[in-house]
This record gives sequence, structure tokens and C-alpha cells, in this order.
Amino acid sequence: EDKVVQSPLSLVVHEGDTVTLNCSYEVTNFRSLLWYKQEKKAPTFLFMLTSSGIEKKSGRLSSILDKKELFSILNITATQTGDSAVYLCAVEDNNAGNMLTFGGGTRLMVKP
Amino acid sequence: GAGVSQSPRYKVAKRGQDVALRCDPISGHVSLFWYQQALGQGPEFLTYFQNEAQLDKSGLPSDRFFAERPEGSVSTLKIQRTQQEDSAVYLCASSHLAGATGETQYFGPGTRLLVL
Repeated sequence: EDKVVQSPLSLVVHEGDTVTLNCSYEVTNFRSLLWYKQEKKAPTFLFMLTSSGIEKKSGRLSSILDKKELFSILNITATQTGDSAVYLCAVEDNNAGNMLTFGGGTRLMVKP
Repeated sequence: GAGVSQSPRYKVAKRGQDVALRCDPISGHVSLFWYQQALGQGPEFLTYFQNEAQLDKSGLPSDRFFAERPEGSVSTLKIQRTQQEDSAVYLCASSHLAGATGETQYFGPGTRLLVL
């Protein structure tokens, strides 16, 4: 059974801080790893990672995947209050159809 | 449409009542997924459609849960004889192609179900 574990469960920082969110996974036949941001409504897509060592970047957010050690990190630099949300990590398994297996999420709160 | 839409956004049901939750996927998207998200947890897979065919329903928690997508577009998730443990947010997602690497699932805003 596929498994995704995220850490920390929650995090409180001040504006301007840099944060690193962790995602470790176990998957039978890896297809991709995805990061989503959820603010009280629909999870919104951030990144899809399929290859090790290639950083994906979007503004202040970046993410990288390590398929050997089975983890990914999501970095947010110069955090803003608008970054406050739950960040979800999910994996796709070639052997599990097209479903996503999610971790429990990391709740980030950015204080002014 | 511009995105995945779901209705109702909120539903309060008495225990034992039947409910129906609707999902309108992005136009042209082949794949449609239903997930259940309990408070403070990540979404958990319920079922998956490719066009009108329900290819995977392994995540449905009991036979009280039923989903359909008769014309390959709009989908309905029905829960019969609701129980308190059914209280959760029900998320719908769609993607353009099935089984293709790089195809992102786009989520709707969810229906928050509260069973009293």
C-alpha cells in the first residue's frame, strides 16, 4: 500500500522567514509526486515532480525530488501571510490507476 | 468551464438521510476523481471514472456510497442512510487524459457535509 508522510504537522513562522516542508513516500511503482496548496477550499496545484535532482521553481516556491531516498522538499523563501495554508504532498503510482495518495499535510501559519 | 465546480458547497443532513453531491469537471476532461477529506487530514481516494466508466471504486468506504457519471461529464456521489462518520469534505478532481505522466488533477472547492 502506498504511503505518504509529511513533516512537520504544523509550523508557525514570521513574515520573511524561509521554510522547508518535507514529504517522504513509499510507492510500488512511482509515476510522479505532486505538491498542492489548500486554503480552506480546493487544493491548488503547485508542482509535479518526476525526475530526481531537478529543481522546479515558481516565484518564491521551489521543490525538488530525491527518488533514491524517497522524499521531496518544498521550500518557501521570504514568506508572506498569504502563504498561510495547508500544503499537501501526493504520489501517483503506475500500479494504482490514476488515484493520488496524499499525506496528512503541513499546516503553515505565517505571522506578520 | 473555467474550473471544476461542485454543489452544494455545504450540506447538513440528519443521520439516516440520503444525500447527493454533484461535480461538474473541466470541459473535455476525461478523468474524474472523488476524494474524501476528514478534518485535519489529507484527501483520501474514493473512486475514479474514465469518461462514463467507473474504473476504480476501491476507496468507497461502504455500500452506502455510490457514484455515477452516466454521460461522461457531470458526476454525482450519493450517500445513502448517512452516518455521523460520513461528515467530511468531498472533493472532486478532473484531468485531461487518463494514465499519462504529467497530467495534473484539478480540484473543485468541495462539498462540506455535516451529518447530525
